[in-house]
Amino acid sequence: KAGVTQTPRYLIKTRGQQVTLSCSPISGHRSVSWYQQTPGQGLQFLFEYFSETQRNKGNFPGRFSGRQFSNSRSEMNVSTLELGDSALYLCASSSLVAGGTTDTQYFGPGTRLTVL
Amino acid sequence: DQQVKQNSPSLSVQEGRISILNCDYTNSMFDYFLWYKKYPAEGPTFLISISSIKDKNEDGRFTVFLNKSAKHLSLHIVPSQPGDSAVYFCAAGYGAQKLVFGQGTRLTINP
Repeated sequence: KAGVTQTPRYLIKTRGQQVTLSCSPISGHRSVSWYQQTPGQGLQFLFEYFSETQRNKGNFPGRFSGRQFSNSRSEMNVSTLELGDSALYLCASSSLVAGGTTDTQYFGPGTRLTVL
Repeated sequence: DQQVKQNSPSLSVQEGRISILNCDYTNSMFDYFLWYKKYPAEGPTFLISISSIKDKNEDGRFTVFLNKSAKHLSLHIVPSQPGDSAVYFCAAGYGAQKLVFGQGTRLTINP
């Protein structure tokens, strides 16, 4: 089975712009989560989608949003970019169906976003 | 408030010996724990997990131990190999697909 794929792998933007990142989960996985990794804050949870619905959300401002399509592919969008948004953005998928439990998440390679 | 802590930023071990990576957590609600290995510019690779109803789980050279009363998790790698050199993250979750990660421990295996 192919793993989680993320596009693009690298992105350079300037302050004030917006960006859209894409994630394709492992075939058959319907849960997709997004994380931000920075040197100072480590890996932090952004949000999780299942069946096109956001089930969980982390403590990030409303500039960070996402969506999931009927084929389980997911996108995340960051509007009005700030310098502090420079990070590695990771997508993870899981075969978990039921809410209320935790299961193993498998990560993609990430998108490295640099904001100038 | 850091709910998952890895207090050792780095660890150096001789090839062939045992590597022990430690992780402490504060939230007693956590019921699922995982270890991931990460190389620079790559996503974390899943290694092994354990649910709170167990105290040990083995997979090849990797064993995870869970001490719920101490809120402590450890990963044992034996024997350690040069390819094990990477950053290791512990993660915990409960009731949702929302993992809380530690800050990571850089493991270096010396030949």
